[in-house]
Amino acid sequence: DAMVIQNPRYQVTQFGKPVTLSCSQTLNHNVMYWYQQKSSQAPKLLFHYYDKDFNNEADTPDNFQSRRPNTSFCFLDIRSPGLGDAAMYLCATGGFGYEQYFGPGTRLTVT
Amino acid sequence: GQNIDQPTEMTATEGAIVQINCTYQTSGFNGLFWYQQHAGEAPTFLSYNVLDGLEEKGRFSSFLSRSKGYSYLLLKELQMKDSASYLCAVVNYGGATNKLIFGTGTLLAVQP
Repeated sequence: DAMVIQNPRYQVTQFGKPVTLSCSQTLNHNVMYWYQQKSSQAPKLLFHYYDKDFNNEADTPDNFQSRRPNTSFCFLDIRSPGLGDAAMYLCATGGFGYEQYFGPGTRLTVT
Repeated sequence: GQNIDQPTEMTATEGAIVQINCTYQTSGFNGLFWYQQHAGEAPTFLSYNVLDGLEEKGRFSSFLSRSKGYSYLLLKELQMKDSASYLCAVVNYGGATNKLIFGTGTLLAVQP
């Protein structure tokens, strides 16, 4: 049973063309996270939601936005993708404990 | 500042034992996770340590020393499928939510 689902698994977009990545969860967790992971690097937290409260990391570029319309869904919007934004984007959820549950990721290619 | 160090790569032989070390210096600490990540896939949970000592779970064990800022992951009876990246992550609690600060991961190659 899939618990954290990300769509699409692979996304190709053009330089400067807005793109939206989707994440949904069946765990009913309060917290949802978005990470960016570039090749051979650690996942880097972009932002997270605690319920509807949005928490942006200080070094997350303005080009990255997020929406959480309800508990189950969270979206990552990249307004004007650059070549440097090509990466794996990981969505994770967190509940009562400290563990985070990761989705399979969306690999973004920028051409 | 936040700093988590792991070796970049390790190689081991099928059936052997390997220890992957992690040292950390963080402004807060509420435990340490080890995750396994196969290429192109999401990280999957292996272990969580919050108290000093060894936690054993099948072929995998994880050790924590908070006074030394040190942890290791021990993998026994290595199998080819254990070839993956192993991520050490420290829990930093900030108000209503917790954050994970990841190391860059150790890429383990298991050879026949």
